[in-house]
Amino acid sequence: QKEVEQNSGPLSVPEGAIASLNCTYSDRGSQSFFWYRQYSGKSPELIMFIYSNGDKEDGRFTAQLNKASQYVSLLIRDSQPSDSATYLCAVIQNSGGYQKVTFGTGTKLQVIP
Amino acid sequence: KAGVTQTPRYLIKTRGQQVTLSCSPISGHRSVSWYQQTPGQGLQFLFEYFSETQRNKGNFPGRFSGRQFSNSRSEMNVSTLELGDSALYLCASSLQAGGGYNEQFFGPGTRLTVL
Repeated sequence: QKEVEQNSGPLSVPEGAIASLNCTYSDRGSQSFFWYRQYSGKSPELIMFIYSNGDKEDGRFTAQLNKASQYVSLLIRDSQPSDSATYLCAVIQNSGGYQKVTFGTGTKLQVIP
Repeated sequence: KAGVTQTPRYLIKTRGQQVTLSCSPISGHRSVSWYQQTPGQGLQFLFEYFSETQRNKGNFPGRFSGRQFSNSRSEMNVSTLELGDSALYLCASSLQAGGGYNEQFFGPGTRLTVL
């Protein structure tokens, strides 16, 4: 089992719809969770981070964390063609006194005009 | 404030050679992390340096090494290159060590091709 799993997609949604991206992780001790967006040929850029159970909203983006079920999700409301990109989930765990970052392989999102 | 810079942007090498990649973090950032990104494996953590010390290391062979200088600039070296080392190498800087509570800012990457 991979430490951080994401469906590779592509996930296709029509413009204006809600896109739902999911990520599961195996280490119950994971502390914090990040969502990055990566456009083709570009480097990842941080969208949101979440530490506590529940929802966190920032504009059109909502991150949801459920530590009991070990999943974190990202909702994108009113999806736009410019949201078409690969979305990477990153999980932070304590490892030997240091913090270790593990990325999922990403979900490719396609927003259809 | 200038972002993370990486040099060179593109590199072509042959098997058996070695390569050194450079990363300059955002001014004031003391942590630099290196990642390898390939289509099949995604983004994989190589190592992290903070205040010239390696703080964390991923599961890569000893051919991959790095260092950090007193000005926080970091270099990554790969010796005895293999075809499978072809990848995009990304560095990310943050204020403090660990990716936990500190946002990482990624550089544009170095695209390494091994022939």
